[in-house]
Amino acid sequence: KQEVTQIPAALSVPEGENLVLNCSFTDSAIYNLQWFRQDPGKGLTSLLLIQSSQREQTSGRLNASLDKSSGRSTLYIAASQPGDSATYLCAVGRNYGQNFVFGPGTRLSVLP
Amino acid sequence: EAGVAQSPRYKIIEKRQSVAFWCNPISGHATLYWYQQILGQGPKLLIQFQNNGVVDDSQLPKDRFSAERLKGVDSTLKIQPAKLEDSAVYLCASSPTSGRATGELFFGEGSRLTVL
Repeated sequence: KQEVTQIPAALSVPEGENLVLNCSFTDSAIYNLQWFRQDPGKGLTSLLLIQSSQREQTSGRLNASLDKSSGRSTLYIAASQPGDSATYLCAVGRNYGQNFVFGPGTRLSVLP
Repeated sequence: EAGVAQSPRYKIIEKRQSVAFWCNPISGHATLYWYQQILGQGPKLLIQFQNNGVVDDSQLPKDRFSAERLKGVDSTLKIQPAKLEDSAVYLCASSPTSGRATGELFFGEGSRLTVL
């Protein structure tokens, strides 16, 4: 059974810092991995999708990496801004057409 | 392109009452998911549809929860009777099975249920 963990559970940083969020999964036989952002009271917004054959994906100030052999993915946020404050969740897709297993999320606060 | 639509956004009911949530996925997305998200936790899958067939409902409490996807488009999730522990946000997501975004999840805003 796939289990997904995220460390840290919460993080508070001053504006302008570069930061890394971690996602670990127990079964390396994954189809893809997706990072989401969730603002309070809102649904999940997709940030980056990494297929199992890829090592990383980039979008603006965000870079996500994937290391299947070690069961890890990291989300790197460059030059953080107060608007980046949200909960970040990773989700692991087990097989094509199968459901995603979510981590509990990291709650990020970027202080002005 | 319109996103995933859900209604109602908020619902407050007494325990043992019933409630229904509606979801309209992104046009052309064959796969539809219902997730339950309890405060402070990640979403947990309740049921997955591929077109109008059920792919996975192993975590759906079938004694009180039911879901259907008529004609492979809209879906409804029903809870009857509701329990206090059903208080959560119910998220609908859809995913395409072809094209550049194959396998990518797109979520609606969610329906927040409070059971008193």
